[in-house]
Amino acid sequence: GAVVSQHPSWVICKSGTSVKIECRSLDFQATTMFWYRQFPKQSLMLMATSNEGSKATYEQGVEKDKFLINHASLTLSTLTVTSAHPEDSSFYICSARLLRQDTEAFFGQGTRLTVV
Amino acid sequence: DAKTTQPTSMDCAEGRAANLPCNHSTISGNEYVYWYRQIHSQGPQYIIHGLKNNETNEMASLIITEDRKSSTLILPHATLRDTAVYYCIVRVNTGGFKTIFGAGTRLFVKA
Repeated sequence: GAVVSQHPSWVICKSGTSVKIECRSLDFQATTMFWYRQFPKQSLMLMATSNEGSKATYEQGVEKDKFLINHASLTLSTLTVTSAHPEDSSFYICSARLLRQDTEAFFGQGTRLTVV
Repeated sequence: DAKTTQPTSMDCAEGRAANLPCNHSTISGNEYVYWYRQIHSQGPQYIIHGLKNNETNEMASLIITEDRKSSTLILPHATLRDTAVYYCIVRVNTGGFKTIFGAGTRLFVKA
């Protein structure tokens, strides 16, 4: 299957700082990417849909000014957690879908963020 | 997207078939049944999907009832590496479809 890569795999940052997570589709182009957050022992929660060349669509309850999403190219979407706090510590996962509409979405390996 | 109901956890002996049920009684005619799994601290992995016919691939088989209100994912010969959380999801297959995850079933494969 297609490969989606996230970077970094894990990151530790201080409270108040911002951290950027990259999601790349390595061998295909993706007009749409999705960002999820997962707390320990819980399921994945969809945060936003990232569309290449346009603004992201955020799910209800997700602060768009805190979780900045940029999808500048067909192979890269970034999630920036701004002014991070310990409660933002979580496992962040992205997924990407091929341009054809009838294909599956592929998931990255996830990024574990710890805010201290 | 339609809601799905899955058992919280299941056990399976290594080498035996693992049968994971999923209820989706409110599924719409244009919604597909998808299965993913998530091994600890990794991203979800796609397993299989289907609309109304049974499907089989190298990983698993998907059996969908005739009324489409439930389905079963079958791992024919479970191994220890199949220990994971398995998610059953129903959704449309066109446009900017979103994958909404429920709680899933935690499958423990035991030696």
